[in-house]
Amino acid sequence: QKEVEQDPGPLSVPEGAIVSLNCTYSNSAFQYFMWYRQYSRKGPELLMYTYSSGNKEDGRFTAQVDKSSKYISLFIRDSQPSDSATYLCAMSEGGSQGNLIFGKGTKLSVKP
Amino acid sequence: DAGVTQSPTHLIKTRGQQVTLRCSPKSGHDTVSWYQQALGQGPQFIFQYYEEEERQRGNFPDRFSGHQFPNYSSELNVNALLLGDSALYLCASSQRGMGSQYFGPGTRLTVT
Repeated sequence: QKEVEQDPGPLSVPEGAIVSLNCTYSNSAFQYFMWYRQYSRKGPELLMYTYSSGNKEDGRFTAQVDKSSKYISLFIRDSQPSDSATYLCAMSEGGSQGNLIFGKGTKLSVKP
Repeated sequence: DAGVTQSPTHLIKTRGQQVTLRCSPKSGHDTVSWYQQALGQGPQFIFQYYEEEERQRGNFPDRFSGHQFPNYSSELNVNALLLGDSALYLCASSQRGMGSQYFGPGTRLTVT
């Protein structure tokens, strides 16, 4: 079993839809949880960062962490074609500067 | 303010050769991490440098080595290249004890 599991998709939604992206993990020592967005042939771009359990909102993006279920989610409201990218979840034990363990990434396509 | 920069953008090498990739961190950052991202996979942590020393290492063989310079820039060296080393190599920088990791655009290495 991999440490971090993420459905690679692809996921296709119409413009304006609410998108839900998820990851599960097995290491209960993970405390720091991040979502990165990666456009084709580019480096990952940090979207959201959460410490421990709870919710965090930033504009159209909401990140949720449920440590009891070892499950994290990213919601995108009012999705736009410019949101089309691969979304990577990442987590670590010892801080967001440390060794990040990534999921495989979910490829999202938002159709106009 | 320049973000994380990497050079070269693309590189083609032959099996058995050696390669050096370079990274300049974001202004104000003192810690550099290197990741390998195979096609269709999430990034995998190679190692991290801080104060010119390797501080953490992932599950990569000794063929992968690095260096950090006094100006915080870094190099990744790979010896005896294998076909399986073909990947996008990402550099990420951060400020020790603060904030998150910011990624560069990557160097795409092809081994033939």
